Amino acid sequence: QKEVEQNSGPLSVPEGAIASLNCTYSDRGSQSFFWYRQYSGKSPELIMSIYSNGDKEDGRFTAQLNKASQYVSLLIRDSQPSDSATYLCAHGGGNNRLAFGKGNQVVVIP
Amino acid sequence: EPEVTQTPSHQVTQMGQEVILRCVPISNHLYFYWYRQILGQKVEFLVSFYNNEISEKSEIFDDQFSVERPDGSNFTLKIRSTKLEDSAMYFCASSASGSSGNTIYFGEGSWLTVV
Repeated sequence: QKEVEQNSGPLSVPEGAIASLNCTYSDRGSQSFFWYRQYSGKSPELIMSIYSNGDKEDGRFTAQLNKASQYVSLLIRDSQPSDSATYLCAHGGGNNRLAFGKGNQVVVIP
Repeated sequence: EPEVTQTPSHQVTQMGQEVILRCVPISNHLYFYWYRQILGQKVEFLVSFYNNEISEKSEIFDDQFSVERPDGSNFTLKIRSTKLEDSAMYFCASSASGSSGNTIYFGEGSWLTVV
């Protein structure tokens, strides 16, 4: 069973601050990891993918992967009200089957 | 920008009825998927489809579910005899290839309510 855990409760951050989200996974064989953003009632939207240990930056987003610790994180710098959403961690397996975590809700306070 | 389109956006059906959810994947994509999300829960994989056959399915995808690509553009999910617990948002998705790490694009979803 491929499990993805996102255990933090809702995260409230002031506008302009950094939001930090964490995720752990159980499948040591996973090679691909993703962060999706999901607005209420909408579909998941890919914002970051990461495949190698270390950091990957894309605009205001930075993903960090540590395969030894089975841990992946997402930092959102200069948080904006439009970043208020649920962030889903996922990893990919064979046939591109994605296993999702339950998500972390982020609320950016103006 | 190419997108995955789904119809209907919302369907209400009586328990025991058959439902067909339709999807038009991105035109040059070869791999198609259905996922579902029960309200307040995680997005769950149902099935992947390639070359006109199922390539993988989850334990959720039992005999009441089937998928089909009836023509060159549509990809459908049929639920034969709906149950209350089938109420969920169903997302169709597609990708250009099936390799792990290839970007999967999701449609906007079909919200199914079984009463």
